[in-house]
Amino acid sequence: SQQGEEDPQALSIQEGENATMNCSYKTSINNLQWYRQNSGRGLVHLILIRSNEREKHSGRLRVTLDTSKKSSSLLITASRAADTASYFCATGGNYGGATNKLIFGTGTLLAVQP
Amino acid sequence: GAVVSQHPSWVICKSGTSVKIECRSLDFQATTMFWYRQFPKQSLMLMATSNEGSKATYEQGVEKDKFLINHASLTLSTLTVTSAHPEDSSFYICSASGRAEQYFGPGTRLTVT
Repeated sequence: SQQGEEDPQALSIQEGENATMNCSYKTSINNLQWYRQNSGRGLVHLILIRSNEREKHSGRLRVTLDTSKKSSSLLITASRAADTASYFCATGGNYGGATNKLIFGTGTLLAVQP
Repeated sequence: GAVVSQHPSWVICKSGTSVKIECRSLDFQATTMFWYRQFPKQSLMLMATSNEGSKATYEQGVEKDKFLINHASLTLSTLTVTSAHPEDSSFYICSASGRAEQYFGPGTRLTVT
C-alpha cells in the first residue's frame, strides 16, 4: 500500500529558482529517504533523514522532517535544468517485521525550464 | 556507494511465456532484497521482500505463484514472471539492503506482446 502522499504532483520552475516538494506519511517511521528518478531510469538516492533528526543538508538539498506532523520537505536551491526528474520520498520502518522495508510516496515530477 | 545490477535491462516476450530477471549485489552481501514494480508515470510499488535462504514475503495483492522469487545466495535474487500477460508489462526494480539504506538496481523494462 502507498504510504506517502507527495505534493505537488508536478512542479515547473525556471532555472535558478528553488523547488520545494512535500511528503506526508501515515505511520511511525525509522527514517525517511528521498530519491530521484530520471525518466525510465533507476533510482538515485539523495538523502536519508532519521526519525530523531529535524533537518539535513547535502549540497543544494535541504530536507526537513516533522514527525509530529508526519511530514517532510525537500528543498532544491538554485535549480538547474539537469534537476528535471521525478522525486520520491520513501519511509523506512518496521513494516511487517522487515526492518529495512521502504514504502514510496506518489512522487513529484519536477521540470526545470532553462 | 554499493552497486546493484539487474539483468536484462529490457526484455520483450510473448504472452504466455515466462521471464526471469536477475538482481545482483556486486560489492556487498545482501541478506534482504526487495522487488518493486513501477507502471508508467506512477510510483514504485513493493511486490515482495526476499530473504536469503528463505521464502519471499509478498505484499497484499501480489500473486506469489505468478511472480516467483528465489534468493539463493547473498548476492543474487531472481524474479520470474510466469505466464506473462500484457498487463504484466512494467518496469521492475530490485534493491538490496545494506543497513538503513537500500541500493537500487537500474531496473528491467518488461514488455509482453
